[in-house]
Amino acid sequence: EVQLVQSGAEVKKPGESLKISCKGSGFSFTSYWIGWVRQMPEKGMEWMGIVYPADSDVRYSPSFRGQVTISVAKSDSTAYLQWSSLKASDTAIYYCLRLDDYQFDYWGQGTLVTVSS
Amino acid sequence: QSALTQPRSVSGSPGQSVTISCTGTSSDVGGYNYVSWFQQHPGKAPKLMIYDVSQRPSGVPDRFSGSKSGNTASLTISGLQGEDEADYHCYSYAGTYTYVFGTGTKVIVL
Repeated sequence: EVQLVQSGAEVKKPGESLKISCKGSGFSFTSYWIGWVRQMPEKGMEWMGIVYPADSDVRYSPSFRGQVTISVAKSDSTAYLQWSSLKASDTAIYYCLRLDDYQFDYWGQGTLVTVSS
Repeated sequence: QSALTQPRSVSGSPGQSVTISCTGTSSDVGGYNYVSWFQQHPGKAPKLMIYDVSQRPSGVPDRFSGSKSGNTASLTISGLQGEDEADYHCYSYAGTYTYVFGTGTKVIVL
């Protein structure tokens, strides 16, 4: 069974750093692009970027380039999304997903990130 | 890149049909046959309902259908059921490893 299991909810203060994870199982992790999207409260989804685990090639949305870092540990079938200095506006649910031929066929359960002083 | 435009909400009685539109540009919806739709119940992970404009993944009821005309894609739910009440989002490939999402539509079953 294909699964993407994300790390748990986080509560952070502005200026703190954070790294959340997405562990894949039930498929060849290095054969699919893994993506990240943001869903702010009561808003639609926003495309952040994707990573190809086989060679760690990362493609960022222009809106998120420089704001976050996407990485992967292929030996552990895990993708990561990290911030060096969080802002209150980063408060959102973050989903990882598997990309198969232009479709996001499997999604993680989401990680709620709350940034508040 | 601007979000694809969807109506905020649509509603219908059980058994009726509802259609959700998803309007983009020639750089996304109109330029590629890679429009997908997913369903999201509150607090749950999204579920893919339609891909490549009109294809249904296995397990998705044939009450769900997709189409596209020009820069606008549509999702139609026929024979509306209570369990269909959820948020529906579209997204489209926009070239060079980028994707753009819709604003989301709440389907209300009256």
